[in-house]
Amino acid sequence: AQKITQTQPGMFVQEKEAVTLDCTYDTSDQSYGLFWYKQPSSGEMIFLIYQGSYDEQNATEGRYSLNFQKARKSANLVISASQLGDSAMYFCAMREGPDSGYALNFGKGTSLLVTP
Amino acid sequence: GAVVSQHPSWVICKSGTSVKIECRSLDFQATTMFWYRQFPKQSLMLMATSNEGSKATYEQGVEKDKFLINHASLTLSTLTVTSAHPEDSSFYICSASAGTGTYEQYFGPGTRLTVT
Repeated sequence: AQKITQTQPGMFVQEKEAVTLDCTYDTSDQSYGLFWYKQPSSGEMIFLIYQGSYDEQNATEGRYSLNFQKARKSANLVISASQLGDSAMYFCAMREGPDSGYALNFGKGTSLLVTP
Repeated sequence: GAVVSQHPSWVICKSGTSVKIECRSLDFQATTMFWYRQFPKQSLMLMATSNEGSKATYEQGVEKDKFLINHASLTLSTLTVTSAHPEDSSFYICSASAGTGTYEQYFGPGTRLTVT
């Protein structure tokens, strides 16, 4: 069963606007972590933001914020003031506990295109 | 942040030959390394988890005799694709973790393998 679901294969946003990329997850663990990564066309995985399951406040990192709704099992990424350089693939990922070896389980990704 | 390198960044090999990909943590000791495979326009799929000095744990459906993983030191893990076939052509990405107590995984830049 898919543990991370990203329902938006592609998104468009105009420069300087905010955009929300959706992510829902499925786990029975109490302790887990949620990540967002950006992958430009070069292929490198760029870490953006992390939210721990016990963190009460939503994580923020510069223009990135994570809208964490634990009861709904959603962890949406909000990018404010989009820039042309934000055009890339965005992956949501979850890290579960020791039984999973702490590996990351990735969603299928959302392709974001920022237009002038 | 911590740096992980991969070598080579791209490789072309003939069908039936073997190719080795190296993953190095440059400025920290990686107790655990992960190998992922990414086909074009798809997500990252975990292939195996390796802990230094132990045999790798392979995900279901990944042939351990075909994808040999060695994690002989705290800074180096290697993935050898044996008897490569065109369907093994993919983007291979490693990541490294400094320990189970930390949440971050540091990704290498990836290796693009093309089997002709």
